[in-house]
Amino acid sequence: AQSVSQHNHHVILSEAASLELGCNYSYGGTVNLFWYVQYPGQHLQLLLKYFSGDPLVKGIKGFEAEFIKSKFSFNLRKPSVQWSDTAEYFCAVNLRNQGGKLIFGQGTELSVKP
Amino acid sequence: EAGVAQSPRYKIIEKRQSVAFWCNPISGHATLYWYQQILGQGPKLLIQFQNNGVVDDSQLPKDRFSAERLKGVDSTLKIQPAKLEDSAVYLCASSLDPGGVEAFFGQGTRLTVV
Repeated sequence: AQSVSQHNHHVILSEAASLELGCNYSYGGTVNLFWYVQYPGQHLQLLLKYFSGDPLVKGIKGFEAEFIKSKFSFNLRKPSVQWSDTAEYFCAVNLRNQGGKLIFGQGTELSVKP
Repeated sequence: EAGVAQSPRYKIIEKRQSVAFWCNPISGHATLYWYQQILGQGPKLLIQFQNNGVVDDSQLPKDRFSAERLKGVDSTLKIQPAKLEDSAVYLCASSLDPGGVEAFFGQGTRLTVV
């Protein structure tokens, strides 16, 4: 079955620490990859996306993600987190040419201590 | 540009009652999605519309859930009768087309069934 797995359920970091959130997917076909963020009390917002080309994708607020096709992974990184990055992060995938339906991971809650 | 509008924001009902959620997508967005997000999980697609036609409703519990998108603009999702396990956040999202471009999410309706 098609699925997306996020490695960590809850991550706690201090400000200025580096962040890496893992995401793996199980799809046989060509995929589009996304990271969404949900700040407390707000709606899901797109952080970054990968469709094709350079596997290192830069998003908003200093986030980046690397697509490694051989590992079916799309890990999210940020070199130095801020308290305002406290949020829930969702990795999502959809199959190219099969509509826009997103398959989400279970989410990773990030808490950044000031 | 106005975002995806959903109402109500919160709803508490007793089991076996019925409930309806409303969504108004971003103007001009042909594709509309309803997702269900159970606490601790990522969003799961319930139904996808392209204009006023259903593209994917494979995960919609059709014995109790129904959705419509008359005139291809706003949409209503109904549950009748509700069960305890329907307690979740119901998210509406829209995109310009189903080709995998960015989906924009509303703030969701938090349903509690008691």
